[in-house]
Formats: sequence, structure tokens, C-alpha cells
Amino acid sequence: EAEVAQSPRYKITEKSQAVAFWCDPISGHATLYWYRQILGQGPELLVQFQDESVVDDSQLPKDRFSAERLKGVDSTLKIQPAELGDSAMYLCASSNPAPGQLPTGNTGELFFGEGSRLTVL
Amino acid sequence: AQKITQTQPGMFVQEKEAVTLDCTYDTSDQSYGLFWYKQPSSGEMIFLIYQGSYDEQNATEGRYSLNFQKARKSANLVISASQLGDSAMYFCAMREGGGTGFQKLVFGTGTRLLVSP
Repeated sequence: EAEVAQSPRYKITEKSQAVAFWCDPISGHATLYWYRQILGQGPELLVQFQDESVVDDSQLPKDRFSAERLKGVDSTLKIQPAELGDSAMYLCASSNPAPGQLPTGNTGELFFGEGSRLTVL
Repeated sequence: AQKITQTQPGMFVQEKEAVTLDCTYDTSDQSYGLFWYKQPSSGEMIFLIYQGSYDEQNATEGRYSLNFQKARKSANLVISASQLGDSAMYFCAMREGGGTGFQKLVFGTGTRLLVSP
């Protein structure tokens, strides 16, 4: 069964260091999402891609976070410099078809990876 | 204002019993979708069930059913015949918008379910 791949699963870093997370969505999925989930809370959207274009990054702290999906397939989320408050689970998800084009009977559900758990010391 | 509200931080149920997890939502859109996801301790979000705002029947998927009350803006998840493996966090989520624009899922804060033998 096709899955969303994420790496690393766990990352421990010191504050002010740089950290990067990688996501490979399900093949053919045009939409890719990065969510941040702080312990005990629900996931919050950081950035949403449609193919290689960012369509929503309103909640991405752009002074330290960046995300790219250069060829419209896999994606990288980077944090530089990391802060203590960045400790969280970073979840990648993908969906198909493109938002706004859901055919009848398609829920447009998001398929999630296992997440990357970041601890900043 | 919270888009999705889950008022139960934790719920306990005995094995083989049924349990209802509450979810209320807030939207002015006529077309929207409601989702429930399960998150075990491993961290992965697992899709359980979906209800579209125009669906007249309550959604069902095996032991999961969604009690959709549109006028009350509630979308409660019912798990029948609970199993030990159902112990996990459960998140309600909403996708707003019908056929236009870029849609995203907005999640509630979750309910932790513990199933006891």
C-alpha cells in the first residue's frame, strides 16, 4: 500500500541549530501539507503546496521556517535557527485530486506520514 | 473562534462497550466535509470516517459511525464494541469550501480514548 514517507522519525537538536525534514508523498498526489503538532494539541497547518507552488503559508513563521517542493514531488521543511518552542511533531500529508476539483464520491481525505518528532534542547 | 471543538480531553470505556466522542464545528459555508482521524502513540494519523455536509445518511465504516446533526453543527464519532486497540487520540477535522479554492483540514484538540479490559 502506498504511503507518505517522512524522515527522520526523530531529531534532537540544540537551539540555534538548523534542522530539516523530508517528505515524499503518495505518487501522483498533487497536494502536499506540512502540519505541526505540539504535544497535547491538534495538528496545525504550516504550509500547503499545490504541485510546486505554495498556496497557503499564512501560519508558517517565515523568519525561521522555509519549505520547498521544487519538482512538485517530495518536499523539505527547514528550521533555522531552531528554538525551544519548535519542539513538536511535524506531520506531512498528501491528497488527491487537487483541492477544488473533488469528483463526486471522493472525500479528499489527507494521507499522513508517521511524522518527524523534533526535540530542541 | 474555534472552528472545531472537542470538549472531552479524555474518555474511558470498557472493552466491548460503545463510546461516543463529541465534536462540534463552526462554519458559514454550505459545503464542507467532516473527518475523524485516529492517532495511536506511534504518531501516524489514520483516517477513520468522512461525512459530507450534503450527505443525508450518517456515515458508517465498520465499527465506526458518525452521528451527524447538521442543525446543531455536531459530528460525533460512535465506536461500537470497543477494542483494546482503539486506545488512542481521536481528532475531528473539517474541510471548508465546496468546489473552489484551496481547501485544508482544520483539526480539533483531540480526545484521548482509553479502553480497559
